[in-house]
Amino acid sequence: QVQLVESGGVLVKPGGSLRLSCAASGFTFTAYYMSWIRQAPGQGLEWVSYISTGGHTIYYANSVKGRFTISRDNTKNSLHLQMNSLRAEDTAVYFCVRGGGDAFDFWGRGTMVTVSS
Amino acid sequence: QSVLTQPPSASGTPGQRLTISCSGSSSNIANNYVYWYQHLPGMSPRLLIHKNNERPSGVPDRFSVSKSGTSASLAISGLRAEDEADYYCAAWDDSLRGWVFGGGTKLTVL
Repeated sequence: QVQLVESGGVLVKPGGSLRLSCAASGFTFTAYYMSWIRQAPGQGLEWVSYISTGGHTIYYANSVKGRFTISRDNTKNSLHLQMNSLRAEDTAVYFCVRGGGDAFDFWGRGTMVTVSS
Repeated sequence: QSVLTQPPSASGTPGQRLTISCSGSSSNIANNYVYWYQHLPGMSPRLLIHKNNERPSGVPDRFSVSKSGTSASLAISGLRAEDEADYYCAAWDDSLRGWVFGGGTKLTVL
């Protein structure tokens, strides 16, 4: 069955960096766009970024552009999000999600990132 | 402020038909597909309906959508207790060149 398992979420200080990872299994990873979507505490869903199958097309939300970098390793069926210059408003559960060029059709359980001094 | 506007809450009784609205603009809803997601408490969000009323396997036909101009709606007929969840609309925004979500509607089944 399809599985997306996120890791890397921790408590980090403002201005710090963090790298999230997502291990995908149960489907042909190379055939799907992949995305990161986040949910701040008590708030709604916010799309963060998506990457195409080969990694050549990437989009970011304005709120993270220039600070976050999405990447994928198709040899290891993994998705990553490098997060730099973190701010308090980046505090959220980060979901690894299958899709991005079309529907977001499968979501991981999420990993919590807390940015606080 | 979310780019797409949804009512923050909605409520209904079992068996009732209820609709949740999603308002956008010409850069998103008017010219792109609208997607709806259901977020049950303690679970990951799941795709509910996409494109033209296409439902993934396991989603009952009690859920349907409509769109007119810059607005879309999710209709739930025969409301059930297990429908109690947060519902989000989403669409690609051509101006922002990114996906935008509504703020979410918390559905309570009385």
